[in-house]
Amino acid sequence: EPEVTQTPSHQVTQMGQEVILRCVPISNHLYFYWYRQILGQKVEFLVSFYNNEISEKSEIFDDQFSVERPDGSNFTLKIRSTKLEDSAMYFCASYGGIETQYFGPGTRLLVL
Amino acid sequence: GENVEQHPSTLSVQEGDSAVIKCTYSDSASNYFPWYKQELGKRPQLIIDIRSNVGEKKDQRIAVTLNKTAKHFSLHITETQPEDSAVYFCAPPGGYNKLIFGAGTRLAVHP
Repeated sequence: EPEVTQTPSHQVTQMGQEVILRCVPISNHLYFYWYRQILGQKVEFLVSFYNNEISEKSEIFDDQFSVERPDGSNFTLKIRSTKLEDSAMYFCASYGGIETQYFGPGTRLLVL
Repeated sequence: GENVEQHPSTLSVQEGDSAVIKCTYSDSASNYFPWYKQELGKRPQLIIDIRSNVGEKKDQRIAVTLNKTAKHFSLHITETQPEDSAVYFCAPPGGYNKLIFGAGTRLAVHP
């Protein structure tokens, strides 16, 4: 069964540093998403991406965040200058338009 | 989607009992209603979903019921087992099919 993959599984960074989280969605899917989950809280939508552009973003997704699909397979989330409150689990998801979204295993980001 | 409320926030049952979790949504245009199970440190896993053209769907010990008029849908787990212990989220989609997660229900099944 096809799966969404994410790298790295864990990332520790210093406040103010840039991080790039990577995702490989399911190959024939066209809709891609990033969500985050602060420890002990619910999953929150960050951004959706379709046809090589952002289709919707939440209030959380401010100017420090960006997404990119640099090639035909990877989908990245960049945080330019990390803050302590960016510490969370970040999930990528992809959707083929028919069934449901499939989540990657997540990247646990810790900002010190 | 858009505004989602989930109750209860915690639920503790004895093994073999049933558990019911309810989700209320605000977007009357919603037509897809999934439930996810999340174990500690893992990704949300879809366990059952229903579309708006049916009122109930069952998969072994798990069922989902939908009341579109009242804008709520519920997860029913029968004959609970310790391995059902997890956090359960409803997540009806909003615009652009983004999932709007409820606050979650922490289910504890005691042997």
